Amino acid sequence: ETGVTQSPTHLIKTRGQQVTLRCSSQSGHNTVSWYQQALGQGPQFIFQYYREEENGRGNFPPRFSGLQFPNYSSELNVNALELDDSALYLCASSHIAGVQETQYFGPGTRLLVL
Amino acid sequence: AQKITQTQPGMFVQEKEAVTLDCTYDTSDQSYGLFWYKQPSSGEMIFLIYQGSYDEQNATEGRYSLNFQKARKSANLVISASQLGDSAMYFCAMSASGSARQLTFGSGTQLTVLP
Repeated sequence: ETGVTQSPTHLIKTRGQQVTLRCSSQSGHNTVSWYQQALGQGPQFIFQYYREEENGRGNFPPRFSGLQFPNYSSELNVNALELDDSALYLCASSHIAGVQETQYFGPGTRLLVL
Repeated sequence: AQKITQTQPGMFVQEKEAVTLDCTYDTSDQSYGLFWYKQPSSGEMIFLIYQGSYDEQNATEGRYSLNFQKARKSANLVISASQLGDSAMYFCAMSASGSARQLTFGSGTQLTVLP
């Protein structure tokens, strides 16, 4: 186990609603990244948080937003849910300190939008 | 922009045999990292092995080794002595340059180990 936890494990929402997903990073890590994995595809980078600031963002609209807290845990918020937002959302924690920065993933949150 | 290509959607291997999963990459960066992750049906992405672009030796981690051929831009994963528990989806990924170092993933290879 990586020590990265995510909640909830599963979630069902309807189109237009808002959702908040949570992630606790591994002890000693200062960075959290979020990925979206649609069925049958590889994960796509949403954004990364380092020291409570957004540190990079992928090709996702502004209705995808996030937060990082002083204990390095993080939230992913998605507003105005669309059917295509149905996916596995993966959180990964890492420690920025050199060339190799391995990201360790949590178990994911499966979101279904109806 | 960075790109990872995995051309084998599915692979079968007999238990105790070795198997190679292919990965090619494209990047204009001189410094980059290559990773392999395993994703069982439960969904969690499990880190297996890392290779830095300046590493001269191929990385090894237990039964996993990475066959890194920089000139060919390939980073194949070799699993020796396959076990039934190795059945899973395998993803090759590359870290971007810059501060975020987000991972770019390939489309994955579904490995099935046969008894």
